[in-house]
Amino acid sequence: NAGVMQNPRHLVRRRGQEARLRCSPMKGHSHVYWYRQLPEEGLKFMVYLQKENIIDESGMPKERFSAEFPKEGPSILRIQQVVRGDSAAYFCASSPPGQVGAKNIQYFGAGTRLSVL
Amino acid sequence: LAKTTQPISMDSYEGQEVNITCSHNNIATNDYITWYQQFPSQGPRFIIQGYKTKVTNEVASLFIPADRKSSTLSLPRVSLSDTAVYYCLVGDIIGNTPLVFGKGTRLSVIA
Repeated sequence: NAGVMQNPRHLVRRRGQEARLRCSPMKGHSHVYWYRQLPEEGLKFMVYLQKENIIDESGMPKERFSAEFPKEGPSILRIQQVVRGDSAAYFCASSPPGQVGAKNIQYFGAGTRLSVL
Repeated sequence: LAKTTQPISMDSYEGQEVNITCSHNNIATNDYITWYQQFPSQGPRFIIQGYKTKVTNEVASLFIPADRKSSTLSLPRVSLSDTAVYYCLVGDIIGNTPLVFGKGTRLSVIA
């Protein structure tokens, strides 16, 4: 059973360009979360999605950032007009629906490291 | 959400037992304690979870006193490959909710 797959692993963009980060959850998982991690910091929650629905986007910057999890295909985190401050590691996690025992355990991908020049 | 406090870093020699303590004075009745491990250039990985007393699995043990205001992650006989950042998380585990990470404890294992 493949784990959470993120691509690309590394992404370099110039200021003003768009960045698209992809996440394929574990098989059978219908919940996807995106987190951002700055150097020497813990992960910060950005957005929580289920298939075709955004459940919680309280951690998402109001401008330039968007996320989707279509019925078919991976979840996409899109950053428009990137700035240097967007440079970070972006992690995707997934969890199954209605976890038995309500453990709320999330399974993380290896992340995408975005560098904005 | 209960705030957690952990040491920023710890060093240990190979073969020693390592205990990382996390303080969570404001833990709520419904909150569980969960630990994740993060290796460099990788995403966090679930290690162990508990509510009270002691929990043990193949990776670690988790000790939680009766007042639940702190918890201790115990790693037996660490090796170089245990060098990682360890995060203590406290929160309600009902349903699927975003995780709240602090800065964690950076464990360095030395040969």
